[in-house]
Amino acid sequence: AQKVTQAQTEISVVEKEDVTLDCVYETRDTTYYLFWYKQPPSGELVFLIRRNSFDEQNEISGRYSWNFQKSTSSFNFTITASQVVDSAVYFCALSEARGNNRLAFGKGNQVVVIP
Amino acid sequence: EPEVTQTPSHQVTQMGQEVILRCVPISNHLYFYWYRQILGQKVEFLVSFYNNEISEKSEIFDDQFSVERPDGSNFTLKIRSTKLEDSAMYFCASSGAGVNTGELFFGEGSRLTVL
Repeated sequence: AQKVTQAQTEISVVEKEDVTLDCVYETRDTTYYLFWYKQPPSGELVFLIRRNSFDEQNEISGRYSWNFQKSTSSFNFTITASQVVDSAVYFCALSEARGNNRLAFGKGNQVVVIP
Repeated sequence: EPEVTQTPSHQVTQMGQEVILRCVPISNHLYFYWYRQILGQKVEFLVSFYNNEISEKSEIFDDQFSVERPDGSNFTLKIRSTKLEDSAMYFCASSGAGVNTGELFFGEGSRLTVL
């Protein structure tokens, strides 16, 4: 069964600081997909990034970057130079290759960026 | 930019009543989903729908739930006899031609309150 753990609950940072969100996952599949979603106060879920299990290359996309470590089953997410608009709940999610986009979400990290 | 729209944004109902939540997915998408989020908890998969039939459903999606795509544009979730524990935010989502691309486009959610 899929399982996603986000141990941190609420993280407060001062604007312009970096913030890293931890995500640890469990799956028995060898092919799977990892995601980060953002849920701003307005409530919708916004897709941020996706990673395949067979591609461990870490990348940077604007102020977002991620660190995928298959050996430790971790998929951490960093926001560089945080802004007030980054204040939201961030969800890590996992889907297995055979699942019909059946995403298993973590409990989420509430990020508060203080101006 | 195309988006997923959901109505109503908030519905209050009495226990035992039937509720229909409506969604208009992005027009060229082929896969449709319902997820729910009980207040303060993680987002949970309910059901996926493709080619006019359910492709997968979770253990939460019991006989009181049903989905339908009645007219080629709307995608509805019906809860036949609501219970207190059905109070949650219900998210509709759609995705394009590729299963497991993970880039689900979520609506803003319909908050259901059962009294």
